[in-house]
Amino acid sequence: DQQVKQNSPSLSVQEGRISILNCDYTNSMFDYFLWYKKYPAEGPTFLISISSIKDKNEDGRFTVFLNKSAKHLSLHIVPSQPGDSAVYFCAARKKTSYDKVIFGPGTSLSVIP
Amino acid sequence: GAVVSQHPSWVICKSGTSVKIECRSLDFQATTMFWYRQFPKQSLMLMATSNEGSKATYEQGVEKDKFLINHASLTLSTLTVTSAHPEDSSFYICSADTSVTDTQYFGPGTRLTVL
Repeated sequence: DQQVKQNSPSLSVQEGRISILNCDYTNSMFDYFLWYKKYPAEGPTFLISISSIKDKNEDGRFTVFLNKSAKHLSLHIVPSQPGDSAVYFCAARKKTSYDKVIFGPGTSLSVIP
Repeated sequence: GAVVSQHPSWVICKSGTSVKIECRSLDFQATTMFWYRQFPKQSLMLMATSNEGSKATYEQGVEKDKFLINHASLTLSTLTVTSAHPEDSSFYICSADTSVTDTQYFGPGTRLTVL
């Protein structure tokens, strides 16, 4: 049973446009959400996170939106750059118990120059 | 952000030998470290959770006698793949929790190839 889902395995976006990566989760106990970026043969790099008490968190070109009632979050990258091309993993955890992070299957983003 | 290192970054070994991979948190103390493996074009699969000074907790389907985990200190965890076989060839990644934030930070990964 996949608790964190990323239904789009891949996404292509023109340089300068907005990239929107979506993520859905099923476990209502999750209260902390993270996005990681991963290049081939490298470890994931932390991008941005959001606590369940917020509905938006912004850091530079990256913004994460959380809709708790829909159990849905999204990562917006604007403007998209070719260097953003990578696999993006959505992840969730139960913050208070320092429980393991559960990862989604990832979305491969290609930003076309 | 917090820095996690892994050593070696890649290793090639013969079938039947054992391989040890180290994971270190360089600028923070990690009470909990996690070990993942990733097959090509697949997501990260959590193998085990390791807490300093106690036995690791393995995920379902992961053989604890094959993948030995030792978390000897607050900055070091090791994964030993015992009697490695070609099907153990994979990309192994560790991560560490900090008590300061709720974010896991990942090491750069270790590519294991078993011939």
